[in-house]
Amino acid sequence: GNSVTQMEGPVTLSEEAFLTINCTYTATGYPSLFWYVQYPGEGLQLLLKATKADDKGSNKGFEATYRKETTSFHLEKGSVQVSDSAVYFCALRAQTGANNLFFGTGTRLTVIP
Amino acid sequence: DTEVTQTPKHLVMGMTNKKSLKCEQHMGHRAMYWYKQKAKKPPELMFVYSYEKLSINESVPSRFSPECPNSSLLNLHLHALQPEDSALYLCASSQSLPEKLFFGSGTQLSVL
Repeated sequence: GNSVTQMEGPVTLSEEAFLTINCTYTATGYPSLFWYVQYPGEGLQLLLKATKADDKGSNKGFEATYRKETTSFHLEKGSVQVSDSAVYFCALRAQTGANNLFFGTGTRLTVIP
Repeated sequence: DTEVTQTPKHLVMGMTNKKSLKCEQHMGHRAMYWYKQKAKKPPELMFVYSYEKLSINESVPSRFSPECPNSSLLNLHLHALQPEDSALYLCASSQSLPEKLFFGSGTQLSVL
């Protein structure tokens, strides 16, 4: 089946610290992978995506590389800001059943000044 | 306008009540979705409408009844819910395939 496993939160970091949020997946075929972010009181927003192995998605200083050999799509940012405080969801869209996204449980990030 | 608007933001209902959740988008998207999210759990797909036709029903109990009156609106009619149905209900839309879903901020539902 299709599933996504994210690291447990919450994660608390000081401003300008390095961020890694781990994500691994199980899927048949060649899924597309996504990171969504949910800021307080708002809906989920697409942060970045990668559609094939070795692709790197990037946006707003965040990066994630699609690693097929380790079935991973870890989210990284070199220097976090207070405004990055949010819940981050890793997700996959299977090659088949294209109308469904499978989400991870979400990781809450709090950045303190 | 790049928003998906959901109303109400909060809803408390008894098990015998009938209520409806509403979702609206004006981005010209032709696919609309209902997700259910329990606390500290990932969103789970309930229904997908594509071109105003129901294309996916993820074995959702009949006490949840979706409706897509036109390409901009999506409703979720609720009847005889159970306390375990308490959750955040998220609406989303996309151009077609869910490469980029736009989510509303959700309706927090409590069933007493």
